[in-house]
Formats: sequence, structure tokens, C-alpha cells
Amino acid sequence: QSALTQPASVSGSPGQSITISCTGTSSDIGGYKYVSWYQQHPGKVPKLLVYEVSNRPSGVPNRFSGSKSGNTASLTISGLRAEDEADYYCSSYTTSSTLIFGGGTKLTVL
Amino acid sequence: QVQLVESGGGVVQPGRSLRLSCAVSGFTFSTYGMHWVRQAPGKGLEWLAVISYDGNNKYYAESVQGRFTISRDNSKNTLYLQMNSLRPEDTAVFYCATAYRSGQDAFDIWGQGTMVTVSS
Repeated sequence: QSALTQPASVSGSPGQSITISCTGTSSDIGGYKYVSWYQQHPGKVPKLLVYEVSNRPSGVPNRFSGSKSGNTASLTISGLRAEDEADYYCSSYTTSSTLIFGGGTKLTVL
Repeated sequence: QVQLVESGGGVVQPGRSLRLSCAVSGFTFSTYGMHWVRQAPGKGLEWLAVISYDGNNKYYAESVQGRFTISRDNSKNTLYLQMNSLRPEDTAVFYCATAYRSGQDAFDIWGQGTMVTVSS
């Protein structure tokens, strides 16, 4: 199964908002509410930002928000900060009872 | 505190086998499903396998189906990944992960990773 489709890179200036898309199919994103988003800084372990499409774990700032429409999920980061510069990955449960990740998006804070 | 610690990585020749372990502490291991995820150098995350809390259900990514086997020993609080017929493209950091306080299949707890290099 191919990876979920994410843009390779996005960029924004401090204080701005950016949105990262994650496109799948009706067999994954479109069929379930089990979409998650992760942030990974270089050399670090991934950190969970959003689960079940739009829920944030304790400690994750409300600047990070998730949504879904059809087969596409989105992560929006508002009030962009320098420390948000990282790689971001989406994931989804699938009809095969497996998980699939997106290819990852590199966020650059200008 | 909640902790996952992987071990067993190293350099292995193509075609050989390797078994990774993930030692769990700080929570009731026997009540949580567990996953393996890998990341090749400079590449993205790739989900590999999941095992149910009791070990009765296992699912794999197509890329490792038939070569990798996930298992667990709840008496030892340890998760395993048996990797056979290793290929150079299996070179990656391997993480164990679980959904501890988050939703289904959302990994809020990760190990630090163990590096596997497949090379002659």
C-alpha cells in the first residue's frame, strides 16, 4: 500500500498559519476517524500532536489543530514559531487493520 | 515512568536474521497493543507491524509480510521483532511504540530506537 500523500515541504513566517494536507483513500483516511499527526525534529523521536483527527494530547499547544474532509486530513499550525521547524507526518488506520504513514512534510519557518 | 527501550540492533549481512527487543516499564504492558515502526536514513516513517495486547492478533505491512514476525512475552514485559532474510533496504532505525493515553493507533509513547544496518 502506498504512503499517504503529503507535500514535501511547506514554509511560513513567524506568526503566520500554515496547513499541511494528507491525502489518502476511502480505505484509510476517508473510512476512519483514526488519523494522527506527528512532529519530528532532526535526530529526535516523533512526537504525537493530534489523534483521532482533531484531538490533542495533554501538553500539545492549541496552536496545533487537525481536521478531515473526505479522504484528506489536514494539520494547521497557527502563530508559527521558530521551534515549529521540523518534519511532520500523518498516519491513518486502514481497512486491512494496518497503519500507514504519509511521506512527511518539512516545515521551514522563514 | 513510562518507558520503552529497544535493543538488538547492529550490523548484519544481507540474508541473515536479527531479533529486536523492546523492554517496557511504567505501565501494564499486558493490556496494550504494541507496534514497530522504522525510519530509513533520511527517509520518512514506515509502520511495520502491530500485535494485540494478548498476542492473538498480528498485522503486518506488505513490505515485511512473511519476513518479519512480531511477538510478545507479557511475563517479561517485552516486545520482539524477528527479522529474517534481511535486505540492504531494511537498514533503518527501528522504534517500538504504543498508544498509551491517546486514541487508537496514535503513538504517544516511543522508544529511543535501535539502528539496524544491513550490509556485506
